Amino acid sequence: QQPVQSPQAVILREGEDAVINCSSSKALYSVHWYRQKHGEAPVFLMILLKGGEQKGHDKISASFNEKKQQSSLYLTASQLSYSGTYFCGTEIGDYKLSFGAGTTVTVRA
Amino acid sequence: DAGVTQSPTHLIKTRGQQVTLRCSPKSGHDTVSWYQQALGQGPQFIFQYYEEEERQRGNFPDRFSGHQFPNYSSELNVNALLLGDSALYLCASSPAGTARLDFGEGSRLTVL
Repeated sequence: QQPVQSPQAVILREGEDAVINCSSSKALYSVHWYRQKHGEAPVFLMILLKGGEQKGHDKISASFNEKKQQSSLYLTASQLSYSGTYFCGTEIGDYKLSFGAGTTVTVRA
Repeated sequence: DAGVTQSPTHLIKTRGQQVTLRCSPKSGHDTVSWYQQALGQGPQFIFQYYEEEERQRGNFPDRFSGHQFPNYSSELNVNALLLGDSALYLCASSPAGTARLDFGEGSRLTVL
């Protein structure tokens, strides 16, 4: 079953922060985050394994709450280059990723 | 170090025809997964190949079939094309023991 992402879209000005949420009804082994720019392939950002760890990629970080089967992606001090569609991919231990519908982020100058 | 490569990048077919898409995984990766991405949607899992066997399959009809070769490259075949098959088909590879995916640029299929 696919994870549910929210919000569907967000518009930011440079320097603003945003949070993207991802939730699943299944017990998760890992959560992966990808960013896809228009006309390009999804690019891996980070993976979070069960254990509640938090990771970072430049000023983009994420957390994983395995009790709630939820993950959040934090965009801090957003830059124009952060624009794109963010997908969470969830795995239940079978090496298969199921993706959410995506959150489109637009960062304006 | 080449990443995941796919061919062709674009193709146009008519309803009822058959199509074959090709994928070469990233060096060192032995698992290949195929996804279908309709416009404005997230990638939908079609199937995954490991050791030349279909290890997992998503909710796609038998018209969708695949193959993995001894060099880990893979093909996706779609028979009896429907208008609804128009989409970006993404191939992704991963090394054994991880679900982390490296995606190719995709093959954009248009069915008229």
